[in-house]
Amino acid sequence: RKEVEQDPGPFNVPEGATVAFNCTYSNSASQSFFWYRQDCRKEPKLLMSVYSSGNEDGRFTAQLNRASQYISLLIRDSKLSDSATYLCVVGGAQKLVFGQGTRLTINP
Amino acid sequence: DGGITQSPKYLFRKEGQNVTLSCEQNLNHDAMYWYRQDPGQGLRLIYYSQIVNDFQKGDIAEGYSVSREKKESFPLTVTSAQKNPTAFYLCASSIRGPSEQPQHFGDGTRLSIL
Repeated sequence: RKEVEQDPGPFNVPEGATVAFNCTYSNSASQSFFWYRQDCRKEPKLLMSVYSSGNEDGRFTAQLNRASQYISLLIRDSKLSDSATYLCVVGGAQKLVFGQGTRLTINP
Repeated sequence: DGGITQSPKYLFRKEGQNVTLSCEQNLNHDAMYWYRQDPGQGLRLIYYSQIVNDFQKGDIAEGYSVSREKKESFPLTVTSAQKNPTAFYLCASSIRGPSEQPQHFGDGTRLSIL
């Protein structure tokens, strides 16, 4: 089983739609969780950290479910500029573990 | 502006040649990392360093070497022993390492074989 698993997509959704990604992790001792965004042929950029109580940043909401070992990212009112690959990242024993990413395309 | 600078942006390697990728940060971060990304795949950790003059192997260290003589700098050498070096190489740093803090990335170096 992979340490961090994401649905690779691609997800194609119309502009203005709400889209949700899930990510599961295998290490129950993990303490840190993040979502990154990566544009084509660019470096990953931190989108948001994920806290136990859940957190929101504008149109983006992240949640953590420790019991089921998954984190989620919800994007509301999606924009064309949200098109990117979204990486789920989990703190492991001695490193951050990056998921393969979920590719999202927002269509006009 | 604080950030991470990688150079060069593109690099070509001949057979049997060692090449060195540069990574410099002015964020005053203690920890630095090197990752490799292959097309359609996730990031894989090559080496990381939590403090000057110390570094640890990641998941795919074979064929690579690093040094950490200064806090700001963490160069990666791709040696001739790395038989499949074509990839996108990303350097990152964090306030502390290795797994609690978010990491911030440079804009990467694309390495290809000639």
